[in-house]
Amino acid sequence: DQQVKQNSPSLSVQEGRISILNCDYTNSMFDYFLWYKKYPAEGPTFLISISSIKDKNEDGRFTVFLNKSAKHLSLHIVPSQPGDSAVYFCAASLTGNQFYFGTGTSLTVIP
Amino acid sequence: EAEVAQSPRYKITEKSQAVAFWCDPISGHATLYWYRQILGQGPELLVQFQDESVVDDSQLPKDRFSAERLKGVDSTLKIQPAELGDSAMYLCASSLSYNEQFFGPGTRLTVL
Repeated sequence: DQQVKQNSPSLSVQEGRISILNCDYTNSMFDYFLWYKKYPAEGPTFLISISSIKDKNEDGRFTVFLNKSAKHLSLHIVPSQPGDSAVYFCAASLTGNQFYFGTGTSLTVIP
Repeated sequence: EAEVAQSPRYKITEKSQAVAFWCDPISGHATLYWYRQILGQGPELLVQFQDESVVDDSQLPKDRFSAERLKGVDSTLKIQPAELGDSAMYLCASSLSYNEQFFGPGTRLTVL
């Protein structure tokens, strides 16, 4: 039973444009959300997080939006760069409990 | 820069053999996690340690998998006997605070 879903397995974006990666979750009790970035042959690296008391968190080119009523979060990358090409995982948890990961979205930024 | 170390990076074994993976977390990180990531899927938690104690192993197939963290520092994950369906990436992560986990590079297991 997939509690966190990333319905787009892949996304291609032109360099300089916005990349929007989406994530849906089923458990309304989740209160903490993260995005990880993964390059081939490496482990996931933490990118950005948001707690359920916020609806937006920004860090440089990366912004995460949380819509609790829709149980949806998204990651915006502006402007997209070729080095952003990677697989992006969202993860959700109820504080103190395990994280549930989505299946990932492979982003390709075209120069 | 502190990193989570894992070895080996790649392991090929035949079914019914035993395999073991090692993880050394970032120094000072009390919480250690083992995840399994099947191709095309996200990481799934196998076991979570707080210091030397298991706090969650509900998704660990205990008939063939075992994990230990005897001194509360490094950890070993063992599979015996390995099955074809165990082929996956095994990721170790550690954390100081609950809300951010640092992952190692993983061990890619292929069972033939």
